[in-house]
Amino acid sequence: DIVMTQSPASLAVSLGERATINCKSSQSLLSSSDNKNYLAWYQQKPGQPPSLLVYWASTRESGVPDRFSGSGSGTDFTLTITSLQAEDVAVYYCQQYYNSPLTFGGGTKVEIK
Amino acid sequence: QVQLVESGGGVVQPGGSLRLSCAASGFNFNNYAMHWVRQTPGKGLEWVTFIRYDAGYNYIADSVKGRFTVSRDNSKNTLYLQMNSLRPEDTAVYYCTKAQGLGSFIIDYWGHGTQVTVSS
Repeated sequence: DIVMTQSPASLAVSLGERATINCKSSQSLLSSSDNKNYLAWYQQKPGQPPSLLVYWASTRESGVPDRFSGSGSGTDFTLTITSLQAEDVAVYYCQQYYNSPLTFGGGTKVEIK
Repeated sequence: QVQLVESGGGVVQPGGSLRLSCAASGFNFNNYAMHWVRQTPGKGLEWVTFIRYDAGYNYIADSVKGRFTVSRDNSKNTLYLQMNSLRPEDTAVYYCTKAQGLGSFIIDYWGHGTQVTVSS
């Protein structure tokens, strides 16, 4: 199974500042057949199910604010929230869909400093 | 809009069975693969199973293989998860989720989940 490791486990960021979340996979998520990285990011607000933010490592889901961006390739990925807003308080998860079983990172809790 | 409504959760004794259902609406259910994902405070998010749009094939996590079965009824827009030989470690919130396409692994919508508690 592909192991997904996120860091940090939690971070506190001031409103309007940048938040950076890292995700590392135990094997490359870059497919040689289509040159795509099989990685998604989800946001889970308190009391709600997760919601899709980014897929293919950097493609923003429709309706997601452009302050959220995904980057990286191979085994190292980053989710960046520029200018953190109060409504961004949540736990963020990365997930690989390169192969079965799909696996998730342990989550990063983002709070306001 | 997409709606996924799970039902069938509850409290069951170890070794017991439950069948979860997921009523889907707001999209053409026939054209999308579906997944079940579960969540616990301790283990986080754990993918359970995938079923293609036409039920032509499915994948299932090793942790539940031989005990859980996924199925779908496209005429009823409903996804199912039959859970047998339940164990305490199966205690979790179970989410019904929609994939982006026919056989996609990308999960783009989640239901609100149903709690399953396995305890004597």
